[in-house]
Amino acid sequence: AQKITQTQPGMFVQEKEAVTLDCTYDTSDPSYGLFWYKQPSSGEMIFLIYQGSYDQQNATEGRYSLNFQKARKSANLVISASQLGDSAMYFCAMTQDSGSARQLTFGSGTQLTVLP
Amino acid sequence: DTAVSQTPKYLVTQMGNDKSIKCEQNLGHDTMYWYKQDSKKFLKIMFSYNNKELIINETVPNRFSPKSPDKAHLNLHINSLELGDSAVYFCASSQDFSNQPQHFGDGTRLSIL
Repeated sequence: AQKITQTQPGMFVQEKEAVTLDCTYDTSDPSYGLFWYKQPSSGEMIFLIYQGSYDQQNATEGRYSLNFQKARKSANLVISASQLGDSAMYFCAMTQDSGSARQLTFGSGTQLTVLP
Repeated sequence: DTAVSQTPKYLVTQMGNDKSIKCEQNLGHDTMYWYKQDSKKFLKIMFSYNNKELIINETVPNRFSPKSPDKAHLNLHINSLELGDSAVYFCASSQDFSNQPQHFGDGTRLSIL
């Protein structure tokens, strides 16, 4: 069974600073995908970034980067130059590519607040 | 040019009623999903369809019945609504049934009185 752990229920960061949101995962499957989603207070789920288990380089998308450490089974999200609009709930998620268990499993989320 | 759209956005109804939530995607994706987000923000898969075929059916009461008339639509019908059904329901789609990003609709907030 796959499992995603986000140990930070809430985080605060000063505007323009960088912040790292932690995510660890547990799977015995060699092929899997790791995702980060943002959920602002308006409620929609916004896809941010994806990392495949076989990808050699860490994924980056604009101000978002995924610090993928396979041996430690961690997939932390780094947001550089935080903006007030980054205040939201952030979810780490994983999907596996084996059998029929290809659903997206979510962590419990981290509420990020960017301070002016 | 909405990618994944679900209607209605809000649904307020009484216990015991039957209601439906519609979902459509215009991304040309093969796979669609329904998720439930509870009051603690925890998201859990309910169903997944790939090319109109049911692939995942998690432990969900059989009062919940998904219907996929074509691969661009996945509707969710709920019979005999209960208080515990109050949640936000998200529809999502992905290119295929593999490690591809899933794109979500804006959610339907269901409130049972």
